[in-house]
Amino acid sequence: AQSVTQLDSHVSVSEGTPVLLRCNYSSSYSPSLFWYVQHPNKGLQLLLKYTSAATLVKGINGFEAEFKKSETSFHLTKPSAHMSDAAEYFCVVRGGYSGGGADGLTFGKGTHLIIQP
Amino acid sequence: DTAVSQTPKYLVTQMGNDKSIKCEQNLGHDTMYWYKQDSKKFLKIMFSYNNKELIINETVPNRFSPKSPDKAHLNLHINSLELGDSAVYFCASSAWGGAADTQYFGPGTRLTVL
Repeated sequence: AQSVTQLDSHVSVSEGTPVLLRCNYSSSYSPSLFWYVQHPNKGLQLLLKYTSAATLVKGINGFEAEFKKSETSFHLTKPSAHMSDAAEYFCVVRGGYSGGGADGLTFGKGTHLIIQP
Repeated sequence: DTAVSQTPKYLVTQMGNDKSIKCEQNLGHDTMYWYKQDSKKFLKIMFSYNNKELIINETVPNRFSPKSPDKAHLNLHINSLELGDSAVYFCASSAWGGAADTQYFGPGTRLTVL
């Protein structure tokens, strides 16, 4: 079975300062990892994904994440927070149910990012 | 152009009623999914369909019945609604391929059972 643990339920940073959202994963084989963002009362948008190519993955809106196999981590970072980054962030691993393309996603419990002016 | 759309966006109903949520994708994808997001924002897979065939049924009560009339549609019918069914339901779609295929989500349907 695969799982992800988001280490912080809430993170608060000041606008213009760096953002770090932490995620650890557990997987019995080489995982596919994703970060999704959900703005208030909105759907889910993909920020970035790790597909076993480069370990440093760049996403939209200045976010990036680094896959570290030795630490089983996939932390999300951004150099400078913007007010519009305030949202819920989900670390996600591919479910591995069927071994094929219909695998469901296994979500972490989410990290609520608060941006202070 | 909306890639994955759901109707209705909000659904308020009484316990015991039967209701349906519709989902359509115009991405040409082969695989569609239903997820449930509870009041604590936790998201969990319910079903996945590939080319109209059920692939995943993740221990969901049989009051929930997905129906896929064609590759572009996956509807969710819920019988005898209970208070605990109140949640936001998200539809998603992806290509049938590798494990890294992106799943694209609809805007969600907020179901409130009174």
